[in-house]
Amino acid sequence: QVQLVQSGAEVKKPGASVKVSCKASGYTFTDHFVHWVRQAPGQGLEWMGIINPSDGITSYPQNLQGRVRVTRETSTSTVYMELTSLRSEDTAVYYCARTILGIPAGYDLWGQGAMVTVSS
Amino acid sequence: QSVLTQPPSASGTPGQRVTISCSGSSSNIVDNPVNWYRQVPGTAPKLLIYDTNQRPSGVPDRFSGSKSGTSASLTISGLQSEDEADFFCAVWDDSLNGPVFGGGTKLTVL
Repeated sequence: QVQLVQSGAEVKKPGASVKVSCKASGYTFTDHFVHWVRQAPGQGLEWMGIINPSDGITSYPQNLQGRVRVTRETSTSTVYMELTSLRSEDTAVYYCARTILGIPAGYDLWGQGAMVTVSS
Repeated sequence: QSVLTQPPSASGTPGQRVTISCSGSSSNIVDNPVNWYRQVPGTAPKLLIYDTNQRPSGVPDRFSGSKSGTSASLTISGLQSEDEADFFCAVWDDSLNGPVFGGGTKLTVL
């Protein structure tokens, strides 16, 4: 079954870090880029980063540079997103999503989402 | 504030045709494929239209997409009650070197 399965909900204190996993199955892991996108309560989507699972090359938005890190583990077909120095504004549902080949913002497969709550 | 501008809400009665707009700029919509997603609150988004006007397998042909200049549109024909959801557009932005998203349009079937 073609799917992305994410780790569970997390509750963190301000200043802490969180690491969310996204395990791919049912397809060739290295064939598709994986993005991370988040959605704060009642808000739209915000891009957090991209990784090419084939070579591990990443790219991040300017506003999150230095706080977000996306990595992958090819042996387990898993992508990770780590966000540091958490603040209340980071409270959101975090999604991983696979892109269609050649369609940069065309996500044909999504993880189920992981709720991250930042609260003291 | 989203880079792509969508109306916050849209509505129609069963059987009607509804169009949702997505306004961008020369760095995104003009030269890149537009994608549309449907999201039921509390669930992950689902791809509805990719590459501006292509439907993934399983998406009814009642859903269609188009673009002209810096704007794109999603049209839903033969509106059904189960179409109620949030819809948003997404496209790559060459200036930001990343994807940008619309703020979403909540569709209500009256």
